[in-house]
Amino acid sequence: AQSVTQPDIHITVSEGASLELRCNYSYGATPYLFWYVQSPGQGLQLLLKYFSGDTLVQGIKGFEAEFKRSQSSFNLRKPSVHWSDAAEYFCAVGPMDSSYKLIFGSGTRLLVRP
Amino acid sequence: DVKVTQSSRYLVKRTGEKVFLECVQDMDHENMFWYRQDPGLGLRLIYFSYDVKMKEKGDIPEGYSVSREKKERFSLILESASTNQTSVYLCASTGGFNEKLFFGSGTQLSVL
Repeated sequence: AQSVTQPDIHITVSEGASLELRCNYSYGATPYLFWYVQSPGQGLQLLLKYFSGDTLVQGIKGFEAEFKRSQSSFNLRKPSVHWSDAAEYFCAVGPMDSSYKLIFGSGTRLLVRP
Repeated sequence: DVKVTQSSRYLVKRTGEKVFLECVQDMDHENMFWYRQDPGLGLRLIYFSYDVKMKEKGDIPEGYSVSREKKERFSLILESASTNQTSVYLCASTGGFNEKLFFGSGTQLSVL
């Protein structure tokens, strides 16, 4: 069955520290991969997406993610976290066709210590 | 920038009531979606629409219906609200299947 796993429900990091949020997927074919961020009381905003090509993808707000096919992973990273990065982060996968059925992970809530 | 507007930020309804959640987008997107968001479950797709009067079931359509009479508006209907439909409902739109989703701010629905 197709699924997305974000193993960390909560992560706390200090401001200025590096960040890595994990995402593993189970999918029958090469999927489209996304990371979205949800700030408190807001809808989701796209951080970055991977369709093909370079497996290291750059996104907005200084985030990047690396697609590793052998590990079925698409982990999100940021070298130096800012207090404004505190939010919930969702990984999502979707088929490489005209379907819109994205599968979202359960989310990881990031807390930033001053 | 694209704006997706959901008519209510908070709603409180009673069991058995008919509930309408409205969503409007201003970028002429053909594709619109309704998700529900529950703690520990992420987002789950209820219904989506790829054109006016067209709709397709998502992963959890039971207990819901939708209406798309105009391109910019996509309504989610709970015919007879139940307590297990207490959730955050998110509307989204996109111009194409490989384009990003634009989300509304969500509606926190409580069914008592």
